[in-house]
Amino acid sequence: EPEVTQTPSHQVTQMGQEVILRCVPISNHLYFYWYRQILGQKVEFLVSFYNNEISEKSEIFDDQFSVERPDGSNFTLKIRSTKLEDSAMYFCASSGDGGGYNEQFFGPGTRLTVL
Amino acid sequence: AQSVTQLGSHVSVSEGALVLLRCNYSSSVPPYLFWYVQYPNQGLQLLLKYTSAATLVKGINGFEAEFKKSETSFHLTKPSAHMSDAAEYFCAVTRSSNTGKLIFGQGTTLQVKP
Repeated sequence: EPEVTQTPSHQVTQMGQEVILRCVPISNHLYFYWYRQILGQKVEFLVSFYNNEISEKSEIFDDQFSVERPDGSNFTLKIRSTKLEDSAMYFCASSGDGGGYNEQFFGPGTRLTVL
Repeated sequence: AQSVTQLGSHVSVSEGALVLLRCNYSSSVPPYLFWYVQYPNQGLQLLLKYTSAATLVKGINGFEAEFKKSETSFHLTKPSAHMSDAAEYFCAVTRSSNTGKLIFGQGTTLQVKP
């Protein structure tokens, strides 16, 4: 069964460093998402991406964050200069169709620890 | 603005007992509602979704949920808990927009005791 994969499963970085979190969505999906979950808090929407551009972003998704689909398979989230408060589990998701009623398929997550 | 509230961050039931996980939503427009489950070290998996076709929605693994507009609720139930149901459960809401942005509740950890 097709699934969303994410690498690495755990990333440790120093404050101020850049990190790139990678995701491989399900191959025929067109809509891509990043969410994050700070320990003990809700899963929060970061950004949605369609047709090679951001379709919606949250207030969390400031200039330190960027997303890219560099080729036909990968979808990346870059944090330019990490802060302690960026420590969280980051989930990638993809959907075969847009619209609020469509199922999003989630990856297992990347745990980011900023020291 | 839309929001979701899950009552009870931890719920404990005995194996074979009824599972009831509560979710209330607020939305200014008719919502789409979802329940996701997360097993340890795995991603979120869709259990079921409400998209206005029917108020009682059946999902995977014997779970179902009923949309009650008058109570703005979408509680998740299962008649008989199994040990394998132990996981974290998330209720989520979204609009009928193209972006599909999901707004999640705080999550409820279900413990099943033998």
